[in-house]
Amino acid sequence: DQQVKQNSPSLSVQEGRISILNCDYTNSMFDYFLWYKKYPAEGPTFLISISSIKDKNEDGRFTVFLNKSAKHLSLHIVPSQPGDSAVYFCAASAGGTSYGKLTFGQGTILTVHP
Amino acid sequence: EPEVTQTPSHQVTQMGQEVILRCVPISNHLYFYWYRQILGQKVEFLVSFYNNEISEKSEIFDDQFSVERPDGSNFTLKIRSTKLEDSAMYFCASTRQGTSPLHFGNGTRLTVT
Repeated sequence: DQQVKQNSPSLSVQEGRISILNCDYTNSMFDYFLWYKKYPAEGPTFLISISSIKDKNEDGRFTVFLNKSAKHLSLHIVPSQPGDSAVYFCAASAGGTSYGKLTFGQGTILTVHP
Repeated sequence: EPEVTQTPSHQVTQMGQEVILRCVPISNHLYFYWYRQILGQKVEFLVSFYNNEISEKSEIFDDQFSVERPDGSNFTLKIRSTKLEDSAMYFCASTRQGTSPLHFGNGTRLTVT
């Protein structure tokens, strides 16, 4: 199932710099997109979401951008902090009665160095 | 902050045995889900549950799987006859509204030997 793809298995960033995590999708029915963060031995924690009627959503240090024509979304973290080091998952759903039926990407391991 | 609680954190069982994974969703949530992640693979949707019935299920969720909300607080996933390939991390999730982000528990690691 390659409907949601995160092509970068890992990303390493210096503290204070910007982290950009990318995600591509193929299913045109997806209209709700989310980013989750996961630490070892914990469940995914919701970070930020965006619906297909928007192209940008911001929450503090986190901004998600959606490019529907390219079927691409990205998560920007500015400034990056060592505590941001985790696995980041992109997820998508088709909305309607299926909002909670999420299709996940493979995840990107972010390491923020002090 | 309220949490989704899953027990046990690790379950080891023999092939062919029945297992029940337990979850206590956040108290005012109405929509409940099970997901799983096989080691090295993606997190996969299994089933959604609302108003005491299954709303949607994936092709993984075959007759060997069932879910139940036996009382006002617990939400369970039963696997009737476990197979080696059922070994995975199972995550329970809940949300108050169908359009709200899911809150996940910390998971139960199921090992089938």
